[in-house]
Amino acid sequence: NAGVTQTPKFRVLKTGQSMTLLCAQDMNHEYMYWYRQDPGMGLRLIHYSVGEGTTAKGEVPDGYNVSRLKKQNFLLGLESAAPSQTSVYFCASSYMTALEPIRNIQYFGAGTRLSVL
Amino acid sequence: AQTVTQSQPEMSVQEAETVTLSCTYDTSESDYYLFWYKQPPSRQMILVIRQEAYKQQNATENRFSVNFQKAAKSFSLKISDSQLGDAAMYFCAYRWWTTDSWGKLQFGAGTQVVVTP
Repeated sequence: NAGVTQTPKFRVLKTGQSMTLLCAQDMNHEYMYWYRQDPGMGLRLIHYSVGEGTTAKGEVPDGYNVSRLKKQNFLLGLESAAPSQTSVYFCASSYMTALEPIRNIQYFGAGTRLSVL
Repeated sequence: AQTVTQSQPEMSVQEAETVTLSCTYDTSESDYYLFWYKQPPSRQMILVIRQEAYKQQNATENRFSVNFQKAAKSFSLKISDSQLGDAAMYFCAYRWWTTDSWGKLQFGAGTQVVVTP
């Protein structure tokens, strides 16, 4: 059971380049999330998805796009990378229901370190 | 808006001693969930402990325990018998379920725990 897998683990981009980060989960979770982590700021939500084919904006969505064509995959895209997008990116997933406490856990991938020069 | 505050950027503790990390949050919700996540140098986000707001009993997981004060909106983490492997960044997080929150996590800025031999 792999859990949440993020690829790639590291990436260096030049300003203006584009790239896609892939998140895959094998736990049949309905909800998936993309966060970015910057020093001294904890994790901030970029976009999230509550099911296949649905996405929504989080706290810091500008400059990013997402897609969820399959339930197990959640893609994060940077169309024109900027130095301000240098960060560590985390994907997470969870069950949908709030009724069972055990289902109220978000499981995280190992993160992707992105540098934009 | 929901906010999570961790007022201690760094805490130092000797092996076998006890350290307490503070966390306060601001919310108007009555039903929510609180978490402590550990992030070692590997970057992996590891769930340490969780607390349901409707439960008065404080959660405990081996050497980790919380002091949950709902009226004061306080959720501190106590690490007993500290070990070198406890050295990491610790994040307090709050999760709530409404029609527009979709179980999002709100994180604090983190507290770096340093364990000295």
